[in-house]
Amino acid sequence: EAGVAQSPRYKIIEKRQSVAFWCNPISGHATLYWYQQILGQGPKLLIQFQNNGVVDDSQLPKDRFSAERLKGVDSTLKIQPAKLEDSAVYLCASSPGTANSPLHFGNGTRLTVT
Amino acid sequence: GDSVTQMEGPVTLSEEAFLTINCTYTATGYPSLFWYVQYPGEGLQLLLKATKADDKGSNKGFEATYRKETTSFHLEKGSVQVSDSAVYFCALMDSNYQLIWGAGTKLIIKP
Repeated sequence: EAGVAQSPRYKIIEKRQSVAFWCNPISGHATLYWYQQILGQGPKLLIQFQNNGVVDDSQLPKDRFSAERLKGVDSTLKIQPAKLEDSAVYLCASSPGTANSPLHFGNGTRLTVT
Repeated sequence: GDSVTQMEGPVTLSEEAFLTINCTYTATGYPSLFWYVQYPGEGLQLLLKATKADDKGSNKGFEATYRKETTSFHLEKGSVQVSDSAVYFCALMDSNYQLIWGAGTKLIIKP
């Protein structure tokens, strides 16, 4: 099966600019996650979708970050305006949404904010 | 709340050495347990999983056994290779289908 697709692979922007990341999950996976991974740290969950509804966005900095999953398939994560501390890898993952099913991750987007 | 504790790294071994990376967890009930691996510059890949007590997950020569009595899920490999150098994460799935992660252990294998 095709894996989780993410784009772009790399992005460099200046602070206060905006950026958007795109994710296409594995076909049929109801649950989609966005994670932020700062260099040398574990992944931090930003938002979890079940189909096109938000399950958990408690750790999403809503003053600058937004995410949507239209039609319950693809998803976009946006940052506006970006700060230096947003430099990280943004990982998308999907799963069927059952207790025993692992998450499948994309290769991520490496964001550098200068 | 649920939590995962894994040994701090980096762990440095010579090629063909035996590997153990310790992982213990705290959780209500009996969650599914996972090991993920992250190679430099790449995303997280599922290495193995176990869904109930005494289950043994295995993949690419790595093994881990779900020990309910010691709440552990230690990762082992009999003979490591340079290509195994990566960061390894232990995780459990909570009741919200979210992964609770350990801090990660960096493994360095020297030829």
